[in-house]
Amino acid sequence: GNSVTQMEGPVTLSEEAFLTINCTYTATGYPSLFWYVQYPGEGLQLLLKATKADDKGSNKGFEATYRKETTSFHLEKGSVQVSDSAVYFCALSTYSGYSTLTFGKGTMLLVSP
Amino acid sequence: DAMVIQNPRYQVTQFGKPVTLSCSQTLNHNVMYWYQQKSSQAPKLLFHYYDKDFNNEADTPDNFQSRRPNTSFCFLDIRSPGLGDAAMYLCATSSDRDEQFFGPGTRLTVL
Repeated sequence: GNSVTQMEGPVTLSEEAFLTINCTYTATGYPSLFWYVQYPGEGLQLLLKATKADDKGSNKGFEATYRKETTSFHLEKGSVQVSDSAVYFCALSTYSGYSTLTFGKGTMLLVSP
Repeated sequence: DAMVIQNPRYQVTQFGKPVTLSCSQTLNHNVMYWYQQKSSQAPKLLFHYYDKDFNNEADTPDNFQSRRPNTSFCFLDIRSPGLGDAAMYLCATSSDRDEQFFGPGTRLTVL
């Protein structure tokens, strides 16, 4: 079956530090890959996505590249801000008429001034 | 803006007292999902509707039911809430594409 593994948190960084959150996946077929972000007390917001190998998703300074050879979709940001503090979920979707999301366990990011 | 709306944002109920959570969408998506998310965990899919077709996950307790009277609205009914049902409940929608759009969630407290 499908599965997503992401690094456990919390990840604690100082403002302007470089961020990497690792994500690897196992899936049959050709999944789409997503990073969702969840701020405290809120629902999930789509941060970025990639639908095929070698695609790079990017948004708000965050980037992730779909690496089929390593089955990875690591999230990176060059300079984090306090406002980036949230929980980040890596997810994959396989499509068979409708979307089915498989989530990783989530990684909490804490950024201090 | 097109969006997914959940009401109420916070719901308090008593042990065993039925409760209904509401979700509406202006995206005109044909698929609607309900997830349960407990603290520090990933969302867990309870069920989804593809148009009017209801699809229950195998491990969703019978205590949880859903209704979709039309394209825009979907309801989650918890017939007899237990303390273990306290959680964030997330509604999501999708069209024929693979992306899901989430609402802000309803935080359920069971006293």
